[in-house]
Amino acid sequence: SAVISQKPSRDICQRGTSLTIQCQVDSQVTMMFWYRQQPGQSLTLIATANQGSEATYESGFVIDKFPISRPNLTFSTLTVSNMSPEDSSIYLCSVGSGGQTDTQYFGPGTRLTVL
Amino acid sequence: QKEVEQDPGPLSVPEGAIVSLNCTYSNSAFQYFMWYRQYSRKGPELLMYTYSSGNKEDGRFTAQVDKSSKYISLFIRDSQPSDSATYLCAMAGGSNYKLTFGKGTLLTVNP
Repeated sequence: SAVISQKPSRDICQRGTSLTIQCQVDSQVTMMFWYRQQPGQSLTLIATANQGSEATYESGFVIDKFPISRPNLTFSTLTVSNMSPEDSSIYLCSVGSGGQTDTQYFGPGTRLTVL
Repeated sequence: QKEVEQDPGPLSVPEGAIVSLNCTYSNSAFQYFMWYRQYSRKGPELLMYTYSSGNKEDGRFTAQVDKSSKYISLFIRDSQPSDSATYLCAMAGGSNYKLTFGKGTLLTVNP
């Protein structure tokens, strides 16, 4: 499976600011995803990061709030914009395994606290 | 009704016990079933994957799928303290690559 790293691993931010989270994969992958994991909740897909085109957002998530970049097949960023305490969560990137299996492999996550 | 329901736990067992973790689902389109293990402050780690009804065994772990009942289980034999983690079931189906997760069950194995 691919080795996935995320930066930063954690951050504490002030309300109204923005944070960009980086996801780096050690091999080229077609599918990259961004998830949010809130306490007591299921992992929730924010968007699919598409290489060379705009990300595909899930219901309830918008580009203005969560802009995503995917400049190449090994890297993606997620920005959490104009943060509020409700954005405090763990943000995870994942990559698809390819083929027909639909499995995904996850990075270590970024723990965000908004004050 | 949520698409995936997972027994919430938490679950606390003595070392050596057999653990049963369960999820039910409502979407008949789900064809692929996964179990992830997530240690505290880590990302989810793929533990088991299966796409057919029946059992799949990997060491001390057995994944069971019953598509007719829309029910999946993960059994852990001879549980160890190192198995203490949150276990997440996940499902996907058809041409849709998206995974739908349960909320997770926190398992503690006591030495």
